[in-house]
Amino acid sequence: AQSVTQPDIHITVSEGASLELRCNYSYGATPYLFWYVQSPGQGLQLLLKYFSGDTLVQGIKGFEAEFKRSQSSFNLRKPSVHWSDAAEYFCAVAPMDSSYKLIFGSGTRLLVRP
Amino acid sequence: DSGVTQTPKHLITATGQRVTLRCSPRSGDLSVYWYQQSLDQGLQFLIQYYNGEERAKGNILERFSAQQFPDLHSELNLSSLELGDSALYFCASSSTADTQYFGPGTRLTVL
Repeated sequence: AQSVTQPDIHITVSEGASLELRCNYSYGATPYLFWYVQSPGQGLQLLLKYFSGDTLVQGIKGFEAEFKRSQSSFNLRKPSVHWSDAAEYFCAVAPMDSSYKLIFGSGTRLLVRP
Repeated sequence: DSGVTQTPKHLITATGQRVTLRCSPRSGDLSVYWYQQSLDQGLQFLIQYYNGEERAKGNILERFSAQQFPDLHSELNLSSLELGDSALYFCASSSTADTQYFGPGTRLTVL
């Protein structure tokens, strides 16, 4: 069965420090891959997505993610975190079937120290 | 603002009751997806409609049903509500087989 693992439930970083959020997926083929962010009381906002091609993808708010097929990973990175980045981050996959429904990881809550 | 609207924003009801959640997709989007976010289950896909037809079903209970109308808005009907149905319900829409845009959600509280 398809699944997404985000091994870190919480991560705390200092403002200005770099960030890496981990995501591993289990799927028979390369699915579509996404990172979404959810601020408190808000909906989900798409940060970036990977379908094919260049394995390093750029997103909004200075985020990037790298797809590594050999590791079935799609880790999210940011070189310098801002206090406004504090939120919950979800990795998701969409199997390339006719529905493209999203299968989400359990999320990683990012806390930013001043 | 994603362009997807959901009403109501909050809903408080009692066990055994029935509620209807409404979603208006982005202009031109034919696909509507419903997701449930709860503390114990996380974010789970419930059901997808495409241009009025059901396309995919996920972990949706038999007490729940949905439909998509000719104007493409969608409704999620939840009946015989239980305490465990308390959750945030998201609607998302997409125009092609890729990016889904999420609405702000409806928070359902069952007392």
